[in-house]
Amino acid sequence: AQKITQTQPGMFVQEKEAVTLDCTYDTSDPSYGLFWYKQPSSGEMIFLIYQGSYDQQNATEGRYSLNFQKARKSANLVISASQLGDSAMYFCAMRPDTGRRALTFGSGTRLQVQP
Amino acid sequence: GAVVSQHPSWVICKSGTSVKIECRSLDFQATTMFWYRQFPKQSLMLMATSNEGSKATYEQGVEKDKFLINHASLTLSTLTVTSAHPEDSSFYICSARAGGTGGLGAKNIQYFGAGTRLSVL
Repeated sequence: AQKITQTQPGMFVQEKEAVTLDCTYDTSDPSYGLFWYKQPSSGEMIFLIYQGSYDQQNATEGRYSLNFQKARKSANLVISASQLGDSAMYFCAMRPDTGRRALTFGSGTRLQVQP
Repeated sequence: GAVVSQHPSWVICKSGTSVKIECRSLDFQATTMFWYRQFPKQSLMLMATSNEGSKATYEQGVEKDKFLINHASLTLSTLTVTSAHPEDSSFYICSARAGGTGGLGAKNIQYFGAGTRLSVL
């Protein structure tokens, strides 16, 4: 079984500053994928970034980067140069590379970007 | 690419009626689709996994006779909430995963629909 822990229910950040959203995970699977999704108030889940457990480099997608520390089982999301449109719920998720490969989600972090 | 359409976006129905929600992958073939339920201010909870041409796999505690799932083609899965009651009111959201090991399938990324808000009166 997999477990995702997001310890920050809410975060504030000033516009144009960087922010780190924490995520730790627990799994017995040797190979897995880690994901971050953004959910604005409209409800849709927007895929942001993916990190494979065997990827040597941390993933980056534009202003998003994933700080992957495998030994610590952490997969923190870093958003650089925050924008007002970044205000949303952010969910960390993981799935094993075998079996049904269903996603397990964390409880989410609500990010509010202040002008 | 990787667009998933979910319809309707919201629905209000009377208790006892059935509601069908459609989930379509518009620009890729989805061998697997997933249905989630989300209560206010909570995370997504997986309800069932749907594979094209086979029976859905339901999570523990999810009534298969109440939440009927059909995945008749590689681009369409439907969730029917049968005899809906007020406690079924929730946000339902589907996701689709591309098949194969190349392209969109390489990372097994799930792409989500916009969700359906169901209110049962």
